[in-house]
Amino acid sequence: AQSVSQHNHHVILSEAASLELGCNYSYGGTVNLFWYVQYPGQHLQLLLKYFSGDPLVKGIKGFEAEFIKSKFSFNLRKPSVQWSDTAEYFCAVNEAWGTYKYIFGTGTRLKVLA
Amino acid sequence: DAGVTQSPTHLIKTRGQHVTLRCSPISGHKSVSWYQQVLGQGPQFIFQYYEKEERGRGNFPDRFSARQFPNYSSELNVNALLLGDSALYLCASSFSQQETQYFGPGTRLLVL
Repeated sequence: AQSVSQHNHHVILSEAASLELGCNYSYGGTVNLFWYVQYPGQHLQLLLKYFSGDPLVKGIKGFEAEFIKSKFSFNLRKPSVQWSDTAEYFCAVNEAWGTYKYIFGTGTRLKVLA
Repeated sequence: DAGVTQSPTHLIKTRGQHVTLRCSPISGHKSVSWYQQVLGQGPQFIFQYYEKEERGRGNFPDRFSARQFPNYSSELNVNALLLGDSALYLCASSFSQQETQYFGPGTRLLVL
């Protein structure tokens, strides 16, 4: 069965620190990959997505992620975080066929200290 | 542009009762998916509908059912509520099955 692992459940950083959140998935077929963010009191918003092509994808608010097929990974990065990046981050995978249902990781709570 | 809307925002029910949650997709979107998000976990897939037909179902009991209407809005029904059904229920819409899903604010259900 497909699964998504997010290794960091809670991360605390100071402003201007660099961020990398890990995401690994288990699925042998072709997948699409997503990072969603949930700011306090708000709904899930799409940060970035990978369907095909350049494995380094850039999203909103300076975030980027790199798809490494051989490692089944899709890690999220940001070179310099801001206090406003405090949120919960979810990695998700869906099959590139069939039901296209999303499989989510358990999320990473990021707290950025001002 | 209006995003995905869900109603109600909050709901309190007692065990054994029935609940209906509603979702209106983004205009032009024909696919609606439902997810359950329990505190501390990521969303879990319940159903996907496309063009008014069920196209996928997650590992949820038959107490959970859904439908999609001709205007592409959708309802999620849960019968015989259990305490464990307390969660945030999310609706997501997409233009088609394989396009990116956009999420609504959710309905927070508390079962007492």
